[in-house]
Amino acid sequence: GDSVTQMEGPVTLSEEAFLTINCTYTATGYPSLFWYVQYPGEGLQLLLKATKADDKGSNKGFEATYRKETTSFHLEKGSVQVSDSAVYFCALSPNYGGATNKLIFGTGTLLAVQP
Amino acid sequence: DAGVTQSPTHLIKTRGQQVTLRCSPKSGHDTVSWYQQALGQGPQFIFQYYEEEERQRGNFPDRFSGHQFPNYSSELNVNALLLGDSALYLCASSLVGTSGGPTDTQYFGPGTRLTVL
Repeated sequence: GDSVTQMEGPVTLSEEAFLTINCTYTATGYPSLFWYVQYPGEGLQLLLKATKADDKGSNKGFEATYRKETTSFHLEKGSVQVSDSAVYFCALSPNYGGATNKLIFGTGTLLAVQP
Repeated sequence: DAGVTQSPTHLIKTRGQQVTLRCSPKSGHDTVSWYQQALGQGPQFIFQYYEEEERQRGNFPDRFSGHQFPNYSSELNVNALLLGDSALYLCASSLVGTSGGPTDTQYFGPGTRLTVL
């Protein structure tokens, strides 16, 4: 079945360091791909998305490119801040004829940014 | 613009009891999905409601049931609670797209933390 695999954390970086969180997926057809962020004690916030191959999603300095040939959607940011510390979830929405848009999530990657 | 709201914020129950969680979707949204997030895990899809009917269900037992009201708000009911039902329960809403299915972007509420003792 459809699934998402993302790198295990925690990822610990110093402020202004470069961030990469790897995400790969298995899916039938052409899913939409997402990154969600969860701050401590809160629900999920949509960070960015891409709906077709070679699309690049971007928001708040984060970006990710939908790579169908490698079934990947890696999250990157050029210079992280302490305020970026959170858990990041990669997710896909299978497009089974548009009946529903359920999300399938990875296990999450904890990012800790130190000043 | 009101986002997705959920109540209560926290809940403590004992094994065997029943619980009802509530969700109001983002303004203008008509589709509601429920997810269970165990500690340290990613959310797992429970089911989705549209036009007051369950459209799709994840791999959860019949102890988990739901309802959607004419104003699009929704309830999640869990019967015969088990210790393993302790989790953060997330509600997400989305809008029906032009093709008749929901658009792919879901917006999440803050969740209800359920503890089963």
